[in-house]
Amino acid sequence: EPEVTQTPSHQVTQMGQEVILRCVPISNHLYFYWYRQILGQKVEFLVSFYNNEISEKSEIFDDQFSVERPDGSNFTLKIRSTKLEDSAMYFCASFGGDEKLFFGSGTQLSVL
Amino acid sequence: DQQVKQNSPSLSVQEGRISILNCDYTNSMFDYFLWYKKYPAEGPTFLISISSIKDKNEDGRFTVFLNKSAKHLSLHIVPSQPGDSAVYFCAASLDGSSNTGKLIFGQGTTLQVKP
Repeated sequence: EPEVTQTPSHQVTQMGQEVILRCVPISNHLYFYWYRQILGQKVEFLVSFYNNEISEKSEIFDDQFSVERPDGSNFTLKIRSTKLEDSAMYFCASFGGDEKLFFGSGTQLSVL
Repeated sequence: DQQVKQNSPSLSVQEGRISILNCDYTNSMFDYFLWYKKYPAEGPTFLISISSIKDKNEDGRFTVFLNKSAKHLSLHIVPSQPGDSAVYFCAASLDGSSNTGKLIFGQGTTLQVKP
């Protein structure tokens, strides 16, 4: 089965530092997403991306967050100045229009 | 904002028996519902879905039932197997899932199937 690949699997950073989480979606998919799950809480939608632009974003996705598809294959989530409350598992997902959303294995971000 | 709720954080069943996982929702505009399964250190994987125009969808050992009047859906696993032990998430979509992957998730129910 096709896979969404995320790197790194774990990221530890100091508060205030910038982090970039990377994802390689499924190659023929056109819709890309970031979700996150804070420990013990729900999986939450952050942002959707289609046709090289953000199509929708949640309240969580403030000015500290940005997404990019720099080279047609990678899809990145950048957090400019991390806060303690950004610590979470971040999931990338891609969607090909066939009712299934494929998730990556996630990046565990720990902000110290 | 708890539009999708899974009120049971955990469920334990014996191998071979039926597992029933429940999910309630508050937004009557949801038109597509999905169940995802998640193992530790992995992302959620799609299990089964149902459109709001149906009341039942079956795929092998998995059946999802939708009661729109009660705003309730359930996932039945028969027979349950130890490999089914995982966290199960109920999710809902507002836009018709054929056009969007934006999902609203419940809190998850941890299922343990004992041999």
